[in-house]
Amino acid sequence: SQQGEEDPQALSIQEGENATMNCSYKTSINNLQWYRQNSGRGLVHLILIRSNEREKHSGRLRVTLDTSKKSSSLLITASRAADTASYFCATDRGGNQFYFGTGTSLTVIP
Amino acid sequence: DTAVSQTPKYLVTQMGNDKSIKCEQNLGHDTMYWYKQDSKKFLKIMFSYNNKELIINETVPNRFSPKSPDKAHLNLHINSLELGDSAVYFCASSRRSGTTFFGQGTRLTVV
Repeated sequence: SQQGEEDPQALSIQEGENATMNCSYKTSINNLQWYRQNSGRGLVHLILIRSNEREKHSGRLRVTLDTSKKSSSLLITASRAADTASYFCATDRGGNQFYFGTGTSLTVIP
Repeated sequence: DTAVSQTPKYLVTQMGNDKSIKCEQNLGHDTMYWYKQDSKKFLKIMFSYNNKELIINETVPNRFSPKSPDKAHLNLHINSLELGDSAVYFCASSRRSGTTFFGQGTRLTVV
């Protein structure tokens, strides 16, 4: 299939813990983006990492990209209940071909 | 100010009807998209438009047709709606290989 895959599919942690989600994809990419979707809402862009970058930070978020393994990880540090959402990776293969993974459902327990 | 806005937010309609979902972006982006999110939350790209040119159509039935009156708008028309069309439809926009911004989604229910 053309889309990426996140794992785990579901993750439940205590508030204050770190959450790590992984994304694997199958083809070469221009960039990879992570999105958050709260239940019943739209997607919110979190971070974009280009194919020539290996790591990027934004607040409590850290994203890594390993193009040799065709994988990326999203780390959320010091999680909060408000981080409860589904997280998707999306790969840009160029030519406006943009594909989403299957998502990780994160639950942060207060 | 809303960057990507789509209307309506909810749409309930009977099988066989024809309906449209509107989308507008005020970001000056040159590419707009429509995505379908099924009940398992899987997001699949349906169309993208770049400068009024359709450049992706991912095996979407021809009952679905995007219409772009100008660079800031990409509307989705659906003819002869079927039960399986029930889903959440997201409009999005971006610059080439840039961040993609999404609308809040339209939940379509076909009864």
